[in-house]
Amino acid sequence: NAGVTQTPKFQVLKTGQSMTLQCAQDMNHEYMSWYRQDPGMGLRLIHYSVGAGITDQGEVPNGYNVSRSTTEDFPLRLLSAAPSQTSVYFCASSYGLRASYEQYFGPGTRLTVT
Amino acid sequence: GNSVTQMEGPVTLSEEAFLTINCTYTATGYPSLFWYVQYPGEGLQLLLKATKADDKGSNKGFEATYRKETTSFHLEKGSVQVSDSAVYFCALTLTGSARQLTFGSGTQLTVLP
Repeated sequence: NAGVTQTPKFQVLKTGQSMTLQCAQDMNHEYMSWYRQDPGMGLRLIHYSVGAGITDQGEVPNGYNVSRSTTEDFPLRLLSAAPSQTSVYFCASSYGLRASYEQYFGPGTRLTVT
Repeated sequence: GNSVTQMEGPVTLSEEAFLTINCTYTATGYPSLFWYVQYPGEGLQLLLKATKADDKGSNKGFEATYRKETTSFHLEKGSVQVSDSAVYFCALTLTGSARQLTFGSGTQLTVLP
């Protein structure tokens, strides 16, 4: 099992550009989520999905879009990048929505917006 | 709202030293509590958890006890190793849902040989 994979590892964007952060898992997990991690703050939930075709907003969804066309993939789209979106982004997956199910995290994507 | 406060880092210890990383929480009910660890270049991994008061979570020599009276979930290890160098995150969920996980800001631990 590769677990949760994320690409790219690093990315630099100019303000206004768009891009997609990729996330894939090979564990047949139903629940997937995206977090951002900023200095001095905990991880904050951006969007999540409880299965293919089902997505919902988390704590900080503005400026991001997601879709879930397959169980395996959960891409995060930045529509028009802003410096405030400079952060480290983590994708996670688990068997289900219950917190007692262990969440598996990807290695992260470090994004800088200039 | 719910929140998690961790001791500020970075924490630097010598090998075989005793480790405590403090974590306190604010919640309107009785949350489940977690410690996650992030090794360099990797994603977060669940280290241990406790779902009710007085529960003790343990794994890889680390322990944490859910203290309702002090709203705390401090992480301890009796003898740290260089391989324990990582960032440690305390987290809670009130509803039992992963969608409602609230994380602390993380504590960087460096263990020197």
